[in-house]
Amino acid sequence: AQSVTQLGSHVSVSEGALVLLRCNYSSSVPPYLFWYVQYPNQGLQLLLKYTTGATLVKGINGFEAEFKKSETSFHLTKPSAHMSDAAEYFCAVSGAFSGNTGKLIFGQGTTLQVKP
Amino acid sequence: DGGITQSPKYLFRKEGQNVTLSCEQNLNHDAMYWYRQDPGQGLRLIYYSQIVNDFQKGDIAEGYSVSREKKESFPLTVTSAQKNPTAFYLCASSMQGRSETQYFGPGTRLLVL
Repeated sequence: AQSVTQLGSHVSVSEGALVLLRCNYSSSVPPYLFWYVQYPNQGLQLLLKYTTGATLVKGINGFEAEFKKSETSFHLTKPSAHMSDAAEYFCAVSGAFSGNTGKLIFGQGTTLQVKP
Repeated sequence: DGGITQSPKYLFRKEGQNVTLSCEQNLNHDAMYWYRQDPGQGLRLIYYSQIVNDFQKGDIAEGYSVSREKKESFPLTVTSAQKNPTAFYLCASSMQGRSETQYFGPGTRLLVL
């Protein structure tokens, strides 16, 4: 069965520090990979996605992620955290199991805390 | 502005009552989805629809029902058979295809009285 694992349900960083949120997936074929952000009591917003081509993907708000097929990973990074980055982050994958739909499997989420 | 709207923002359900959550999109998307979000459990798929008048069960469909009579609308009914309905419900839509982005509505929080 397909699965997505986000290592660490809570990550805390200081303002200005590197942000690293980890995501690993299980898939027998290269998947499509997504990172979403959710602010309290709101819907999810797409940060970035990997479909094909360049494995380093740049997204909104200074975030980027690198698809590493050999490690089945798609970790999210940002060089310098800002207070406004405090939110919950979800990694998601679609693949062969999705058929021709956009059906996704989500990780459990990682809450990012940014300390002043 | 194109987007997805969900109403109401908060909904209260009494014991034995069915309640319906609204989801409307004006993005001209074919596919629509309903998710349930509980703390620490990520998003779980309840139902999805790829086309009008057709829908499929997701991972946790028991106690829920949907309809898709119009492309723009995908209402979710939480029936009395759903014994633990308290959660945050999110609706999303996308174009067809595995690489397509899902766009989410603002959510409805359902509480039991």
